[in-house]
Amino acid sequence: GIQVEQSPPDLILQEGANSTLRCNFSDSVNNLQWFHQNPWGQLINLFYIPSGTKQNGRLSATTVATERYSLLYISSSQTTDSGVYFCAVEVYNAGNMLTFGGGTRLMVKP
Amino acid sequence: DAGITQSPRHKVTETGTPVTLRCHQTENHRYMYWYRQDPGHGLRLIHYSYGVKDTDKGEVSDGYSVSRSKTEDFLLTLESATSSQTSVYFCAISAGRVDSYEQYFGPGTRLTVT
Repeated sequence: GIQVEQSPPDLILQEGANSTLRCNFSDSVNNLQWFHQNPWGQLINLFYIPSGTKQNGRLSATTVATERYSLLYISSSQTTDSGVYFCAVEVYNAGNMLTFGGGTRLMVKP
Repeated sequence: DAGITQSPRHKVTETGTPVTLRCHQTENHRYMYWYRQDPGHGLRLIHYSYGVKDTDKGEVSDGYSVSRSKTEDFLLTLESATSSQTSVYFCAISAGRVDSYEQYFGPGTRLTVT
């Protein structure tokens, strides 16, 4: 099956800093999503981005489907950004099943 | 808020007992999914449904069964719970349309099997 690798696995930032999270995948995909799992365990949709670039406030994401990677940018980080960020992909003709990466655990310090 | 609720939110049960978890959605989405989340494994798909009475297995389906008799409800059953099924279970939905494969997740159910 498809392999999804996220880096770095852990990241500690000072409030106000910027960061880039990466997601590499091993096959062509027709769906790629970024999620934030907050400290209470809730999975929050950040982006649905099988290709191209999107921005939402301080967060933006870029997927280069032909090179099989996606990047999540967090600017001016805040303590509320802490949690785990997951990338998840769906391969073509796979019944809308998502395969998740291992996540990046982010801690933003005040 | 994608209108997804899960019940119960927390459950402790003993090895060998049957357990049923419920996922309820209010937006008439076609696709529903059950995932489990474990440390070191991330989220893995257990079963999914693409319509009423239409279900299929995911990556980790052994020991689990599902049923979907109504569009809004997707049930996950552990026929005889084992300690290895201690996990956090998430339900998800998607419209499953070409223009909308995006999945949305419920709040999760924390299950402990003692």
